[in-house]
Amino acid sequence: NAGVTQTPKFQVLKTGQSMTLQCAQDMNHNSMYWYRQDPGMGLRLIYYSASEGTTDKGEVPNGYNVSRLNKREFSLRLESAAPSQTSVYFCASSETVKRIQYFGPGTRLLVL
Amino acid sequence: AQRVTQPEKLLSVFKGAPVELKCNYSYSGSPELFWYVQYSRQRLQLLLRHISRESIKGFTADLNKGETSFHLKKPFAQEEDSAMYYCALTGANNLFFGTGTRLTVIP
Repeated sequence: NAGVTQTPKFQVLKTGQSMTLQCAQDMNHNSMYWYRQDPGMGLRLIYYSASEGTTDKGEVPNGYNVSRLNKREFSLRLESAAPSQTSVYFCASSETVKRIQYFGPGTRLLVL
Repeated sequence: AQRVTQPEKLLSVFKGAPVELKCNYSYSGSPELFWYVQYSRQRLQLLLRHISRESIKGFTADLNKGETSFHLKKPFAQEEDSAMYYCALTGANNLFFGTGTRLTVIP
């Protein structure tokens, strides 16, 4: 099993450009999450999907949208990228919200 | 507010010395607490969770509800313990991570 996979691994954007970060899991997990990791800020939850068909805002949702495409896939979209969105983005999944989370390898995003 | 606090951003200890990474939390219900670890160039992964009451890689963590703490301890630090450690709390439908502590074990 691949576990949690993320694409791309690295991306450079110009301010105002849009892009979608892809995440997929093959563990039949119900819940999926998007985090950003910034120096000194730790991991902050952007959005999560407790189960297929539902999405909820986390701590820092502004500037992002998500889509739970199916049980396996959970994408994160930046409609108009800003330099403040330069970060490392992690996707994670778990059986349910209270269970152990399994993380992807991360996507490093640089917005110029 | 429900939060997780890790007061130390950086912690350095010598190999063989005891190590304690602090975690305090505030939560109005019955939280579930975890420690996650991120080794260099590896994915973030679970180290241990409070309900398991187990020791992983020599680390233990005891939930102290009176002090609302979940400190991570190891009696003898090893060089391979150098990593970023995150304390995390899950409630009903909320998830919070602390800001992390970077542990460096000096040979």
